[in-house]
Amino acid sequence: KQEVTQIPAALSVPEGENLVLNCSFTDSAIYNLQWFRQDPGKGLTSLLLIQSSQREQTSGRLNASLDKSSGRSTLYIAASQPGDSATYLCAVRDYKGSGNTPLVFGKGTRLSVIA
Amino acid sequence: KAGVTQTPRYLIKTRGQQVTLSCSPISGHRSVSWYQQTPGQGLQFLFEYFSETQRNKGNFPGRFSGRQFSNSRSEMNVSTLELGDSALYLCASSLRQGQETQYFGPGTRLLVL
Repeated sequence: KQEVTQIPAALSVPEGENLVLNCSFTDSAIYNLQWFRQDPGKGLTSLLLIQSSQREQTSGRLNASLDKSSGRSTLYIAASQPGDSATYLCAVRDYKGSGNTPLVFGKGTRLSVIA
Repeated sequence: KAGVTQTPRYLIKTRGQQVTLSCSPISGHRSVSWYQQTPGQGLQFLFEYFSETQRNKGNFPGRFSGRQFSNSRSEMNVSTLELGDSALYLCASSLRQGQETQYFGPGTRLLVL
């Protein structure tokens, strides 16, 4: 059974700092991995999707990498801003031939960027 | 293009009652998934519908059910509510099932008293 772990559970950094959020998964047979952002009491916003054949994806100040063999992904946020404060969730979709499997989520990293 | 919409946004019920939540996917999206989010368990998958058929089901009791209509709108129903059903219920849509990016709605916050 796939398990997704995110460390740390919470992180507080000063504005302008570059930071890395970690995600690990137990079964490397995945179809893709997705990073989401969730603001308090709100739904999830998709940030980046990495297919199993890819090593990384970039969007603006965000860069996500994937090392499938070691079961790890990192989300790099450059030059953090107070508006980046949110919970960041990692989710994997297992590979089952048809690709027809649900997302399995980690419990998230709660990020606070202090002005 | 309008995003995923969920109604109602907030709901208060008492134990033993039943509740129906609604989700309208992004126009053109045919896959709808439902998730339950609680502080203790995080996000857990409930079920996925595609072309009016349930394609996947999570590990929840039979009190949780759902359906999808021909216009891809989906409803989920919880019968005989328990205190532990208090949660944020999130709906997500994608073009097709499986490999696509999922787009989430704002959720319905259910409080069971």
